[in-house]
Amino acid sequence: AQKITQTQPGMFVQEKEAVTLDCTYDTSDQSYGLFWYKQPSSGEMIFLIYQGSYDEQNATEGRYSLNFQKARKSANLVISASQLGDSAMYFCAMRERNSGAGSYQLTFGKGTKLSVIP
Amino acid sequence: DTGVSQDPRHKITKRGQNVTFRCDPISEHNRLYWYRQTLGQGPEFLTYFQNEAQLEKSRLLSDRFSAERPKGSFSTLEIQRTEQGDSAMYLCASSLEGFYLQFFGPGTRLTVL
Repeated sequence: AQKITQTQPGMFVQEKEAVTLDCTYDTSDQSYGLFWYKQPSSGEMIFLIYQGSYDEQNATEGRYSLNFQKARKSANLVISASQLGDSAMYFCAMRERNSGAGSYQLTFGKGTKLSVIP
Repeated sequence: DTGVSQDPRHKITKRGQNVTFRCDPISEHNRLYWYRQTLGQGPEFLTYFQNEAQLEKSRLLSDRFSAERPKGSFSTLEIQRTEQGDSAMYLCASSLEGFYLQFFGPGTRLTVL
C-alpha cells in the first residue's frame, strides 16, 4: 500500500496567485514527520518545510505553509504569491522511525509538477 | 560549498559494466542515506549508514549493489553488471544524529545503454 499519495500529477498556477499541493499519508506510528521537498530540473532535492506529528500548529516557512490535518492524514503544501522560479517537481515525504535500525528513512510520494504561468 | 556533493553528476555505461558513485556528506553529519529515483517517481530508499556501519538495506538493493562508508566519511555505491533497469538518478543525503532533516546532494544520473 502506498504510504504517501500525491493525487495531482501536474498543476498550473498564475504568477502571484496561491496554490495548494495535496498530500495524504498512511502510518500506524504515533511519532512521524512530514516533509515537502522541491526538485528543479537540475535534480537536487531542496527542503521546503517540515511538520512533526506532535506539532499542534501548522508549519510555515516564508511563502510556504503546511496545512496539517492529522485526523484526515493530510499534509497539503500551500505556496503563496507564486513566482516563476517555483516551477518544479514537489515531493511530499514521511519519516517514520524504523525501530530495527534506528534510521529515519524517508518515504516519498510520486510528486506533483507545478508550472507557474506568467 | 559545504553541502552534500556527489561524483560524477552523470554516468553513461554499457550493460554489464560496473559503475561506482561517490558521495561526500556534510562534514559533521554521521548519518548517510542512498536513494534511487526512476523517471516519474519519487526517490526510494536504498541503504543507510550511521558512521561507518551499514545498518539498513532496502529489498531494492540487489546483490549487484554494494555500498561502503569507510571511516564514516564519504560513501561509495557500486553497481556490478549493470542492467538497463538500473538507469536512474542516485541521490545521497546526510543528516546529523538527533536531527530530522536530511540534506540531499545533486545526484548522479546513470544511463545504462
